[in-house]
Amino acid sequence: QVQLVQSGAEVKKPGASVKVSCKASGYSFTDYAMHWVRQAPGQRLEWMGWIIPGSGNTKYSPKFQDRVTVTSDTSSNTAYLELSSLRSEDTSVYYCARDPWFGADWGQGTLVTVSS
Amino acid sequence: DVVMTQSPLSLPVTLGQPASISCRSSQGLVHTDGSTYLNWFQQRPGQSPRRLIYKVSNRDSGVPDRFSGSGSGTDFTLKISRVEAEDVGVYYCMQGTHWPPYTFGQGTKLEIK
Repeated sequence: QVQLVQSGAEVKKPGASVKVSCKASGYSFTDYAMHWVRQAPGQRLEWMGWIIPGSGNTKYSPKFQDRVTVTSDTSSNTAYLELSSLRSEDTSVYYCARDPWFGADWGQGTLVTVSS
Repeated sequence: DVVMTQSPLSLPVTLGQPASISCRSSQGLVHTDGSTYLNWFQQRPGQSPRRLIYKVSNRDSGVPDRFSGSGSGTDFTLKISRVEAEDVGVYYCMQGTHWPPYTFGQGTKLEIK
C-alpha cells in the first residue's frame, strides 16, 4: 500500500530555514507529482508547491516563490520541502500529498514551530 | 487566485440523517482539457486530510458510497446520505483547475447533534 512518511517535528528561530522530508513507498515515485501543503492552527489548507520527481520540474505558489524550494531524491524515493526566512506566521503542520489529481495520499504531517 | 467559499461552516447533524455541504468558486472550474478539477477532503480530528472525491463526482477507493459529489461551473456539493459517527471532522473542497495556486475552501465542521 502507498505510504508517505514524513520527518519529525521541528522548532526553529525566526530567520532560520527548515527542511522537511517525505519518504514514499508502495508506488512508482517518479510517476506522480508530490505536493506540499501547510495548515496553520485553525486555518484552511494552503498549497505551497509541487515537484515531479521523474523530471525534477517544480511549480510554486506565488506567495512562497521566493522562500520555498522543493526537491526530490529518486534513489531514496524522498521528496523535500525547504522553507527559508522563517517567521512566526510559518508555524504550521506541513503535509506532503501525491497525485493523481492532487491528494490521493497524504503524509502524517510535520509540525514546524517558529519561536524565539 | 480562485476563492473557494464553503457553507455552512458548522454542520450539526443527527446520526442517520443526511448532510450537505456547498462549495462555490469565484471562477468557473472547467479546465481547457474539459475536466473539472474539484476535490473534496475529509479531515478527522488529529488526522491528515483524506481525499473522498476527485473531479467533482469520482469517489476514491474505500470511500463509503454514502458520500457523493456533484455540481458544475462554480457550484458544487458534497452529500452524505446517512451520517455516521465516524464522519465527524472538517470537510474541505479544493480546486485544481486554475493554478498556481491550488486553493481550498475554509472548511465545514461536521458534528453529531
